[in-house]
Amino acid sequence: DAGVTQSPTHLIKTRGQHVTLRCSPISGHKSVSWYQQVLGQGPQFIFQYYEKEERGRGNFPDRFSARQFPNYSSELNVNALLLGDSALYLCASSLGITDTQYFGPGTRLTVL
Amino acid sequence: QQPVQSPQAVILREGEDAVINCSSSKALYSVHWYRQKHGEAPVFLMILLKGGEQKGHDKISASFNEKKQQSSLYLTASQLSYSGTYFCGTEINDYKLSFGAGTTVTVRA
Repeated sequence: DAGVTQSPTHLIKTRGQHVTLRCSPISGHKSVSWYQQVLGQGPQFIFQYYEKEERGRGNFPDRFSARQFPNYSSELNVNALLLGDSALYLCASSLGITDTQYFGPGTRLTVL
Repeated sequence: QQPVQSPQAVILREGEDAVINCSSSKALYSVHWYRQKHGEAPVFLMILLKGGEQKGHDKISASFNEKKQQSSLYLTASQLSYSGTYFCGTEINDYKLSFGAGTTVTVRA
C-alpha cells in the first residue's frame, strides 16, 4: 500500500507570496495532521483534520489555513510568506484522531 | 508543553546500549516515539499509553512512567541502522502531539 504522499517535494517562494501544499493520506485513513519542522528541531503541530473538520490547531498565525476534502486529502495554505516560514512541512495521516500518525516525506519550503 | 529530551546527542559503537529520556511537565495520555534519518520523514517506532506499559520493537524498547510523566527509549545492542534523530511526541488529551527537540544517535562500526 502507498504511504502518505506530499507535493511538491521542494518549493522556493519570495516574501509576501502565497503557497499551497498538498497531502494524500494512506488509503482508509480519515485524519490528516500538518506539522512544521525547522532545521534542528522537532515537528511543531499546525492543524489536525478529521472527516473534513478542523479538530485541532497549534500556535500558528492566521496566515496558516488548511482544509480537508471528501477524499480525505488535504491542503495547507500559507499567505504573506515570511523568511521564518522556511521549513520542512510534514503531513501525517491516521485512521482516527487518536491513532498512530504516519508521516509523509514532507515539502521543503524555502522563502527568499 | 513541549517535552524535554535528554541527552541531545549520543555516539555509540555497534553493540553498545543507550537510553533516551523524554519528560513532560503535564500529565500525559500517551507517548509516541519516532526516528528520523537525515532528509527523510519521521518513522513511527512505538506508542505507549498511560499505565506504565513497556513495549518493544526488535531491540528497541520503551517504558512509560506515569507518575513521573517520563518515557525512556532503550537501544540495545545498537546497529548501524539505529543512527538517526529520535523524537518523542507527547499527547495530553487533546489529540495534539507535542514533539521534543530530538536526540541524535550516531552508531559507529
